[in-house]
Amino acid sequence: GAGVSQSPRYKVAKRGQDVALRCDPISGHVSLFWYQQALGQGPEFLTYFQNEAQLDKSGLPSDRFFAERPEGSVSTLKIQRTQQEDSAVYLCASSNVPQKVGYTFGSGTRLTVV
Amino acid sequence: AQSVTQPDIHITVSEGASLELRCNYSYGATPYLFWYVQSPGQGLQLLLKYFSGDTLVQGIKGFEAEFKRSQSSFNLRKPSVHWSDAAEYFCAVGEGFKTIFGAGTRLFVKA
Repeated sequence: GAGVSQSPRYKVAKRGQDVALRCDPISGHVSLFWYQQALGQGPEFLTYFQNEAQLDKSGLPSDRFFAERPEGSVSTLKIQRTQQEDSAVYLCASSNVPQKVGYTFGSGTRLTVV
Repeated sequence: AQSVTQPDIHITVSEGASLELRCNYSYGATPYLFWYVQSPGQGLQLLLKYFSGDTLVQGIKGFEAEFKRSQSSFNLRKPSVHWSDAAEYFCAVGEGFKTIFGAGTRLFVKA
């Protein structure tokens, strides 16, 4: 597609519920990133894929967070047993050469855990 | 680990006035540096980037930034601010494949 598409735009989850957030990157982009942006903060790195391989997941805050990109295109970020501290905007970004050209971001999914 | 500091949480400028947003980074070698802008409810949009060559880089929407190695700074500038520039601005530095973002500076524009 023309841009990075994320769905849903908004998600309200009850504490303890599992959620799945989808990212559809720009067609042909090899690199895909997930970031978490808390209110009033800059984005914090969660995880990175190169094609279908998850090369870095050092930013995932706990083992309740899981990301996949099985066919090297669409990616899903799953959060199990959501907690209130998981409330944030989850941003997906894609790029072909992230070090030099930067990222194209999606509009994000705002997750509110109640 | 690399880090990015944006000393100003928010800045207010008058429409038509000049703008400078400050950014300092910590990194041993020549860094990859970026400025992004985020409008309310939107993702981040890349304004400009630097990784080598001329230390004054031009970006979209009339923005420019200057890399100063001696000061570990990469300040963003615009000669004349428009009301539509009101947004959150993030400075960022590349670390391997990932990017480290500052906490952001919110720009308010008054008429």
